Amino acid sequence: SQTIHQWPATLVQPVGSPLSLECTVEGTSNPNLYWYRQAAGRGLQLLFYSIGIDQISSEVPQNLSASRPQDRQFILSSKKLLLSDSGFYLCAWSVTGYEQYFGPGTRLTVT
Amino acid sequence: GDSVTQMEGPVTLSEEAFLTINCTYTATGYPSLFWYVQYPGEGLQLLLKATKADDKGSNKGFEATYRKETTSFHLEKGSVQVSDSAVYFCALSDSNYQLIWGAGTKLIIKP
Repeated sequence: SQTIHQWPATLVQPVGSPLSLECTVEGTSNPNLYWYRQAAGRGLQLLFYSIGIDQISSEVPQNLSASRPQDRQFILSSKKLLLSDSGFYLCAWSVTGYEQYFGPGTRLTVT
Repeated sequence: GDSVTQMEGPVTLSEEAFLTINCTYTATGYPSLFWYVQYPGEGLQLLLKATKADDKGSNKGFEATYRKETTSFHLEKGSVQVSDSAVYFCALSDSNYQLIWGAGTKLIIKP
């Protein structure tokens, strides 16, 4: 069966520091991968999606970037965090192109 | 463009009450429809789905019917439990295989 991992689970970082969040999927090949952000008490905002290695689309202009160095690995990065980057970051995968399956999320607090 | 509208929350019910969370959509074509559930501090879980008109998705006592004539996909459960307290998201798949999300409805069940 397929599983999705995200780490770290929680992170507290100062403003201006770099960021790297990692997501890996097991048990499937060539998945579509997604990064979402969820602000406190709010809905989901799609940040990036990828249909293959080095094929990444950005949905929202910001100081975040994403990379997919391997088929089942998706990384979210920033060179300098802003206070507004705080939130709950969710990675998801899909193979049918329809339903998506989510990881446990990373709670990021920028101080 | 495509969109999903959910009833605003929070919705507060007593245990064993009947639940309805309204969801309506606008879309070109014939999207698949989904309900996801998010428990506190966790990622989203796919609760149920329907892929064509008049389909009924069901899982864990929850049901939703794809109504093309009213462009709706309301979530129902006959008898809610405290453990059903969570945020529920309605979503549809667009022509680009992305999910369009509702804002989420927080459900609070009191014992």
